[in-house]
Amino acid sequence: EAGVVQSPRYKIIEKKQPVAFWCNPISGHNTLYWYRQNLGQGPELLIRYENEEAVDDSQLPKDRFSAERLKGVDSTLKIQPAELGDSAVYLCASSLQASGQYFGPGTRLTVT
Amino acid sequence: AQSVTQLDSHVSVSEGTPVLLRCNYSSSYSPSLFWYVQHPNKGLQLLLKYTSAATLVKGINGFEAEFKKSETSFHLTKPSAHMSDAAEYFCVVSANNFNKFYFGSGTKLNVKP
Repeated sequence: EAGVVQSPRYKIIEKKQPVAFWCNPISGHNTLYWYRQNLGQGPELLIRYENEEAVDDSQLPKDRFSAERLKGVDSTLKIQPAELGDSAVYLCASSLQASGQYFGPGTRLTVT
Repeated sequence: AQSVTQLDSHVSVSEGTPVLLRCNYSSSYSPSLFWYVQHPNKGLQLLLKYTSAATLVKGINGFEAEFKKSETSFHLTKPSAHMSDAAEYFCVVSANNFNKFYFGSGTKLNVKP
């Protein structure tokens, strides 16, 4: 079974530029999560999808962050414009009820 | 409300000695509990999970954890540490709907030769 796929793995951009991250969850997993993990800290939830519906986006900075999950499968997380403080690892995870979350390898974003 | 407290931010053991990583939880519902491991520059890998079946849960790489409701604990143990166990470990609790997960702050395990 293929795991959660994320791309790109690494991204370096200048501040004020836009950036997008892509996630393909495990087949059949209807719940998809985007997390941000700062250096030395645990993951923090940004947004959770149930199928194509965003059911928890309370921690998503909506002035610059947006996400979508068209057709309830793949998802894209966008930052526009990026700020220095956005440098972090962005993790995507998917789950199916009691199975627990399965994480992708993450995208390491560096904003210069 | 759900929350997790990992009692030690750093743990250091010698190779071949036992490992104990402590986790206490708070949950308004019957919790599900998970341990994840994260090696440097890698994603999070599920080690084991408790979802209201047997209270002693065995996971990958020789790790196990015991759910103790009376102590609201879910400590992670391994009889004999290996150098490859050096990583950061996260304890996670979810409510009974399994769709929202709460992470502890992590414990960094150092294994000395």
